[in-house]
Formats: sequence, structure tokens, C-alpha cells
Amino acid sequence: GEDVEQSLFLSVREGDSSVINCTYTDSSSTYLYWYKQEPGAGLQLLTYIFSNMDMKQDQRLTVLLNKKDKHLSLRIADTQTGDSAIYFCAAGLGGNMLTFGGGTRLMVKP
Amino acid sequence: GAGVSQSPSNKVTEKGKDVELRCDPISGHTALYWYRQSLGQGLEFLIYFQGNSAPDKSGLPSDRFSAERTGGSVSTLTIQRTQQEDSAVYLCASSLSQGGGYTFGSGTRLTVV
Repeated sequence: GEDVEQSLFLSVREGDSSVINCTYTDSSSTYLYWYKQEPGAGLQLLTYIFSNMDMKQDQRLTVLLNKKDKHLSLRIADTQTGDSAIYFCAAGLGGNMLTFGGGTRLMVKP
Repeated sequence: GAGVSQSPSNKVTEKGKDVELRCDPISGHTALYWYRQSLGQGLEFLIYFQGNSAPDKSGLPSDRFSAERTGGSVSTLTIQRTQQEDSAVYLCASSLSQGGGYTFGSGTRLTVV
């Protein structure tokens, strides 16, 4: 089955860019997602990308997909303290279940 | 409703008691999922309902855990004879059958004392 891996922790300074990385194993994955979880809350869908795309930009967020290497990244420009949260990567095949990574805890230092 | 609603938001129970957690998905979403998140951990898949198909129960950790979904809408996750290791946040999500990602509820924080 699918396996999704993320690094556990990332620390950046306010105003810098953050890059959160994710790898997955199933090359058939069609949909790839990024979720944000703030303390005490559920997961909030941030953005997603289809496997036929290699980049998607949405305001401060840029998603890059390297299908050959099965590597997904989320770049947050001008990172703010409010971006401090856990970020989860997820991969899936359309109507089927998503497989989630273990989450990357982003800490933004003022 | 506008979002996925879970109740209660917090539940403290004594070891050995049964608990029921409720999830009300977005109207029209045919798929419903339960996940468990222990403190500081990732998501552990529990069970998945898709339309009228038999649920995928492959993630349920023991036979003390069960879930049902009535009328293709509201779902109840039941934990019998709770143990301290059941303490976690239980998250419910729903989705349309094709893509679009999941919409999560805010979760139920279960504490077994």
C-alpha cells in the first residue's frame, strides 16, 4: 500500500520562507493534499494538486510536485507566527482513501 | 450542515466504561472516515464508510471498537470497556466520492481515567 513520509520538525524565522517536504511511494496517486492543524483543532485543507500538474500557487503557498521522484513540497512565503502548526501531506487515488504522513511541526520564531 | 460536526468535543470517562462518539458529516458527502490522533502523533486510520458498501474496518485496533453509519449520514464510533491507551483525539472526516479532499471535524478529545 501507499506510504507517505515527512520530516518531523521545521523551525524558521518570521519573514523567511518555509519548505515542508513529503515523499510517497505509490506512483498511481492522483491527488496530493496539504492540511494544516493548529493546536486543539481538526485538520484544515490548505491546498491540493493533481498528479498531472507540477506546480500550484495560491497566495503565499506554492506546491511543487516531482512525479519522477514521488516528492511533494509546500513552500510558505513570508512565514508568519500564525503559520506555526502541524502540516500533513496526504496522497490518494481519487475516490479511494487518503494516506497521511506523520505531520511536520512548523515553529516560527519571531 | 456547513461543516463536519463532532460531539462531544471533550469526554472524560472512567476506565471500563463504554463511550459513544458522534459525527455528523457534510450533507451529500458519501464517504465518512474515523481517525485517531494520540498526543503529538500523526493520524491513525480506524474505519471508512463509502455509500451503501460494507465499511472498511481494517484500522480498528481491537474488537472493543465498532462504528455504524445510519441512513448514509450520521456515524457513531463506540468504544467498549475503555482503557487508558484509548485516550486520544478522535477525528471524523467526510468527502465526496471523487477527489476534493476530506473535510475534518474538530474532533472529540477522549480522556480515560
